[in-house]
Amino acid sequence: GQNIDQPTEMTATEGAIVQINCTYQTSGFNGLFWYQQHAGEAPTFLSYNVLDGLEEKGRFSSFLSRSKGYSYLLLKELQMKDSASYLCAVMDSNYQLIWGAGTKLIIKP
Amino acid sequence: IAGITQAPTSQILAAGRRMTLRCTQDMRHNAMYWYRQDLGLGLRLIHYSNTAGTTGKGEVPDGYSVSRANTDDFPLTLASAVPSQTSVYFCASRTGENTEAFFGQGTRLTVV
Repeated sequence: GQNIDQPTEMTATEGAIVQINCTYQTSGFNGLFWYQQHAGEAPTFLSYNVLDGLEEKGRFSSFLSRSKGYSYLLLKELQMKDSASYLCAVMDSNYQLIWGAGTKLIIKP
Repeated sequence: IAGITQAPTSQILAAGRRMTLRCTQDMRHNAMYWYRQDLGLGLRLIHYSNTAGTTGKGEVPDGYSVSRANTDDFPLTLASAVPSQTSVYFCASRTGENTEAFFGQGTRLTVV
């Protein structure tokens, strides 16, 4: 079966760095997405990785290792507005997105 | 309209009633999707359409139907609602296979 695993919840302090991990087992791989979802709102796109390595976008970076079936999202200089759920999604061999349950990130002052 | 719009934003529905959730996008995206999101679970695909005139079943299609008469609209119909269909429903679209999906604001549906 297809499976995406993420921690259910994480807590971090404002101004700090946090790493949210995602491991996957899917039928084929055509890329991995990270989305942010604030409570009561729609998911919004953060990053896309299809090749191994690190992609940096401002305070957010995303890493992929295809051989390990592993990705992480790194958030630096945390702000209160970063309190949200972070969703990992893998595009399988049929180009359909398989979604993890999401990681709720709580930022404390 | 800018982006993807869903209607209604929320609805309380009596079990057994028929309901259509509307989704319209103005980005000329080929592919459109309907997901449901339940607490503790990831987004689950109900139905999808890769292009106007075609539809396909996702992971949880039972009790739902869709149509794609044109590029912009992708309505989702619950023929006879049941309480287990209480959920938040998201419509999404994307231009192609290796592109990100854009989401509507969601429809919160409660079946009582």
